[in-house]
Amino acid sequence: DQQVKQNSPSLSVQEGRISILNCDYTNSMFDYFLWYKKYPAEGPTFLISISSIKDKNEDGRFTVFLNKSAKHLSLHIVPSQPGDSAVYFCAASAPSNTGKLIFGQGTTLQVKP
Amino acid sequence: DGGITQSPKYLFRKEGQNVTLSCEQNLNHDAMYWYRQDPGQGLRLIYYSQIVNDFQKGDIAEGYSVSREKKESFPLTVTSAQKNPTAFYLCASSASTGGETQYFGPGTRLLVL
Repeated sequence: DQQVKQNSPSLSVQEGRISILNCDYTNSMFDYFLWYKKYPAEGPTFLISISSIKDKNEDGRFTVFLNKSAKHLSLHIVPSQPGDSAVYFCAASAPSNTGKLIFGQGTTLQVKP
Repeated sequence: DGGITQSPKYLFRKEGQNVTLSCEQNLNHDAMYWYRQDPGQGLRLIYYSQIVNDFQKGDIAEGYSVSREKKESFPLTVTSAQKNPTAFYLCASSASTGGETQYFGPGTRLLVL
């Protein structure tokens, strides 16, 4: 049972344009969501997070939107840069999970110059 | 220079052999985690520890063991009972287990000879 799903395995965008990565979840108890960026053979790097009491959080070029009614979150990167090319994972946690994160399968973003 | 270190970067296991992966953090974090990543999949939780001398099984604990004798160290042993050990292993830590961001080490790739 995949509680966190990233249905797009890959995404390709042009440099300077917007990248939108999507994530859906099924567990309504999730109250904290995170996005990580990962390069091959490296550990994931934390990008941005959002609590369920908010619907938007922004940090520089990165904005995360949360739609609780749709159980959907998205990561917007504007403007996209070639260095953003990586695998992006969304993750979620619930109070009952004692900090355990549930990860999606990841979306590979390619930003073309 | 605070962070999480994992060693070795690459590890080879022979049939029937136990191997231990090291994870050390100097972030003064209470909680530590071990994840496994397989190609095309998200991260899956093996074990986690909320405090020294205490740890709990994650979703895929079979064939693995851990210890938490010191706050800064959380070694993972891949035993001979783990029949499919080839994967990328990631260690993470967080300040606590309540809605805290997890920070990851660089990972260890385990290969079976």
